[in-house]
Amino acid sequence: GAVVSQHPSWVICKSGTSVKIECRSLDFQATTMFWYRQFPKQSLMLMATSNEGSKATYEQGVEKDKFLINHASLTLSTLTVTSAHPEDSSFYICSARDNGRETGELFFGEGSRLTVL
Amino acid sequence: GQNIDQPTEMTATEGAIVQINCTYQTSGFNGLFWYQQHAGEAPTFLSYNVLDGLEEKGRFSSFLSRSKGYSYLLLKELQMKDSASYLCAPMDSNYQLIWGAGTKLIIKP
Repeated sequence: GAVVSQHPSWVICKSGTSVKIECRSLDFQATTMFWYRQFPKQSLMLMATSNEGSKATYEQGVEKDKFLINHASLTLSTLTVTSAHPEDSSFYICSARDNGRETGELFFGEGSRLTVL
Repeated sequence: GQNIDQPTEMTATEGAIVQINCTYQTSGFNGLFWYQQHAGEAPTFLSYNVLDGLEEKGRFSSFLSRSKGYSYLLLKELQMKDSASYLCAPMDSNYQLIWGAGTKLIIKP
């Protein structure tokens, strides 16, 4: 149980285009999901906390107009990288917290590797 | 402030035992997680400690001392596939996980 699916796994896009990444909890409901970015050989960097039915909470330095987050249901959150540029190339990872568990462990999606040409 | 301290890199031999230490400072505390992350992949959950003591799960064990702000992950009977980064992540009073850079574990034959 507690499977999180992230799609797409790999995406290559041209500079200036927008890319949408989906994060789904397959067998549990998640009021809270998290979006991270990880550059090579660096630690996970929390970008934003996604809350179902309300606005996402962005970490300092993360542009909310560039990284649009929508959490419309208890099983789906999306991250849209708008007007992507080469410096946005990174590994984007989502995680979700299972509403049905008392412990707060996070279950991670497989990650989405974005390359902006 | 919130801080996590783990060794950057460790090397061990296949079949041996290795202990990865973690000290932390957080605003409040709601448990500590260990995750494993292979290169190019997302982290996977290994263990969760909220009370002091040792939690054993197969070849992996995790220990917590809340008063000392200290945890360790113990890996026994090391296998080559255990080569990965190991992330110590305490949870603060807001139930947010605090992430460090992790410990890169290299297993040699």
